Amino acid sequence: QLQLQESGPGLVKPSETLSLICTVSGGSISTRSNHWGWIRQPPGKGLEWIGSVYYSGSNYYNPSLRSRVVISIDTSKNQFSLQLSSVTAADTALYYCARDVRGKGRNMVRGVISEYNYYYMDVWGKGTTVTVTS
Amino acid sequence: QSVLTQPPSESGTPGQGVTISCSGSTSNIGRNTVNWYQQLPGTAPELLIYSNNQRPSGVPDRFSGSKSGTSASLAISGLQSEDEADYYCAAWDDSLNGYVFGTGSRVTVL
Repeated sequence: QLQLQESGPGLVKPSETLSLICTVSGGSISTRSNHWGWIRQPPGKGLEWIGSVYYSGSNYYNPSLRSRVVISIDTSKNQFSLQLSSVTAADTALYYCARDVRGKGRNMVRGVISEYNYYYMDVWGKGTTVTVTS
Repeated sequence: QSVLTQPPSESGTPGQGVTISCSGSTSNIGRNTVNWYQQLPGTAPELLIYSNNQRPSGVPDRFSGSKSGTSASLAISGLQSEDEADYYCAAWDDSLNGYVFGTGSRVTVL
């Protein structure tokens, strides 16, 4: 059974870089149909997608965070990581990693077959809290 | 900032049904499939519905999803106390080239 586990410092100083690792167990991080993503949730607020990475190293970032985010992957360790630079108190949140599944599906409507793209995050880690404080 | 809009809360008594709406735009719900996540208090979100109306293994059929145009809905029938949670819709946004989440809806069982 696939499991994900976040790890990293719980406290980060303002203007420094937040670094987290997600360790994947029970499956290979190199599976072609999977990307791997980071999501965060500030205290008492909703979910925000940070970005995702493919086993080849290609990635997608939230435009609002792109200038500060780097997500990388280490297939030899079955891990992927998040670095968020120049942090402020607004980056205080619960950070989750997740498997990001993408592909193409087909359905039939009134006898016509059409293709569609699907995207979803189906397995999540338990999350790790990061507090930005001096 | 959430791009998908949900009502802040919904409630019902045990056995009743509730429906949560999720409003988006042509670049997200209008073009891509919708997912729903359930977040029980103090836990990580769990995938409840994917590809508009598909349930992962283990999710009761009391939960169902639908999509029409740029909006989607999650219906919970036969409400149970363990359904008290926050529910989030999500979709891929072609303009942002990334995922967008809904604002979240808290379901309370009275």
